[in-house]
Amino acid sequence: DIQMTQSPSSLSASVGDRVAITCRASQNITNYLNWYQQKPGKAPKLIVYAASTLQSGVPSRFSGSGSGTDFTLTISSLQPEDFATYFCQQSHSIRITFGPGTKLDVK
Amino acid sequence: EVQLVESGGGLVQPGGSLRLSCTGSGFTFSYYEMNWVRQAPGKGLEWVSFISSRSVAIYYADSVKGRFTISRDNAQNSLYLQLNSLTPEDTAVYYCARKSQARSYYYMDVWGKGTTVTVSS
Repeated sequence: DIQMTQSPSSLSASVGDRVAITCRASQNITNYLNWYQQKPGKAPKLIVYAASTLQSGVPSRFSGSGSGTDFTLTISSLQPEDFATYFCQQSHSIRITFGPGTKLDVK
Repeated sequence: EVQLVESGGGLVQPGGSLRLSCTGSGFTFSYYEMNWVRQAPGKGLEWVSFISSRSVAIYYADSVKGRFTISRDNAQNSLYLQLNSLTPEDTAVYYCARKSQARSYYYMDVWGKGTTVTVSS
């Protein structure tokens, strides 16, 4: 199976900050990489697919980049509703795998 | 409104069984491939199983292979997960998720709210 790692595992930031979360795959997954946001007690929500395509309805302050094995999710100006846990997920294999998550909380 | 609703979770003893259901509405359920994903308390997301739109292709995570069985009934807009030989390590919130496609890219764009399975004596 393709292993996914994320860094950092947690991140403290303030409203208005620019933050970046990285995700690395154990093998080349071209751009078969998705990002999800999850808030406590809620289901995950798709944010970005195909590494850089924003899901419909997601604010433009979110952006995704990368290809191959290294990917980044960037939030350009944090809003209060963005504090959550973010997971990357590879869709290169039908046996999908997720990163361990990055918890973004208020500094 | 497009939605998925899971049911069937509960408290079960080690070695026991449970059947989870997921009902879709607001979209043509039979067109979509589906996944089950679980999340243990305080942990990350773990893919559990996949089923193609007509049940031709089925896959399982190694951690559940031989114990869990995925199935679907398109006439009932329903997805199922039969959980057997349960262990405390299977304790988790179980989500069903719709697999969608844009160009050649796949992602899970609709998720249920989840159903909780607790395995404990």
